[in-house]
Amino acid sequence: KAGVTQTPRYLIKTRGQQVTLSCSPISGHRSVSWYQQTPGQGLQFLFEYFSETQRNKGNFPGRFSGRQFSNSRSEMNVSTLELGDSALYLCASSLGTSGVRGPDTQYFGPGTRLTVL
Amino acid sequence: AQSVTQLDSHVSVSEGTPVLLRCNYSSSYSPSLFWYVQHPNKGLQLLLKYTSAATLVKGINGFEAEFKKSETSFHLTKPSAHMSDAAEYFCVVSDREYGNKLVFGAGTILRVKS
Repeated sequence: KAGVTQTPRYLIKTRGQQVTLSCSPISGHRSVSWYQQTPGQGLQFLFEYFSETQRNKGNFPGRFSGRQFSNSRSEMNVSTLELGDSALYLCASSLGTSGVRGPDTQYFGPGTRLTVL
Repeated sequence: AQSVTQLDSHVSVSEGTPVLLRCNYSSSYSPSLFWYVQHPNKGLQLLLKYTSAATLVKGINGFEAEFKKSETSFHLTKPSAHMSDAAEYFCVVSDREYGNKLVFGAGTILRVKS
């Protein structure tokens, strides 16, 4: 099976612009989660989508948004970019069957490195 | 609330010697615990996962971890380090209250000396 793919791998933007990142999950996976990784804050959860609905959300401002399509592919959008948004954005996919038995295993993509100038 | 504390930000070992990366967790419910590894400029790879089955969990590349509820610990070990083990390791917690949300520790950078 192909792994999680993220495009683009690298992006350079300037302050005030907006950006869209894309994630294609492993075939058959219905849940996609997004994480931000920075040297100062580490890895932080942004949000999770399952069956085109946001199921869980982290503590990020409304400038960060996402969506999921019927084929489970997901996009993440950041509007009005700030210097502090420079980070590695990681996408993770899973079956989405978390419940009484606990969360299912998440598989991560290689990430998109966003630099805001 | 969930949290994870990785007790060492850097660990240095010689090739062929044992590896110990320490992790303590806090969770309101019975947690699921994971160890992920990240090589430079790469994504995260799952090493192993604990979900309330056996307390000693075996993972890939010879790594294993033991869940100790009384100590709220989930330390990662490997009997003999290899140069290719040099990377950053993350201890991660999740519980069913938060669905698929993962909470990461700050990471431990493992250096392997030849």
